[in-house]
Amino acid sequence: GAVVSQHPSWVICKSGTSVKIECRSLDFQATTMFWYRQFPKQSLMLMATSNEGSKATYEQGVEKDKFLINHASLTLSTLTVTSAHPEDSSFYICSAFDRITSTDTQYFGPGTRLTVL
Amino acid sequence: GDSVTQMEGPVTLSEEAFLTINCTYTATGYPSLFWYVQYPGEGLQLLLKATKADDKGSNKGFEATYRKETTSFHLEKGSVQVSDSAVYFCALRNKAAGNKLTFGGGTRVLVKP
Repeated sequence: GAVVSQHPSWVICKSGTSVKIECRSLDFQATTMFWYRQFPKQSLMLMATSNEGSKATYEQGVEKDKFLINHASLTLSTLTVTSAHPEDSSFYICSAFDRITSTDTQYFGPGTRLTVL
Repeated sequence: GDSVTQMEGPVTLSEEAFLTINCTYTATGYPSLFWYVQYPGEGLQLLLKATKADDKGSNKGFEATYRKETTSFHLEKGSVQVSDSAVYFCALRNKAAGNKLTFGGGTRVLVKP
């Protein structure tokens, strides 16, 4: 089956620094990737939709200048949390569509746990 | 807008018990419906899906039937195992919303030996 990886799996950083999270589709091409945020014991909140070669579309209430998304190729999207603060600590998850099969299925990465001190 | 409502957990069961997790949805048109599972410390995995009314999705002993008349997609398993302990998410995808998934709040299931 389709595999999506994320790197790093966990990261601890100091307040005010920036952190980059990578999302890769390992065995398929993904024109569209999604970034979610999950708080402890809560559901996933869609942050933005990332389309290859174009600007990301952010959900209402998500600061695009704080959460920078780049989708430079069909297999890689990155999320950069700029000037991170403790309230940005969360579990960040990406997902991707397989462009060839174009099914309804989104494949999810294992997630990245960000802790901001 | 679209929404998904699923029963709150946690649900605690003994091994070999019957599991039902209720899920209802609100959406325009004809969404596709999904169940995702998140095991401890892992990302979401697709468990099963159904793309049209009366379709039954099944996988690993789990089943769910797309009921348009009741706007429901309840998840069932006849005999759970300890390894089924996880958080289960019901979700829908509406093409009118551009391939976005709308998730329910998740239901934590704990199966005791």
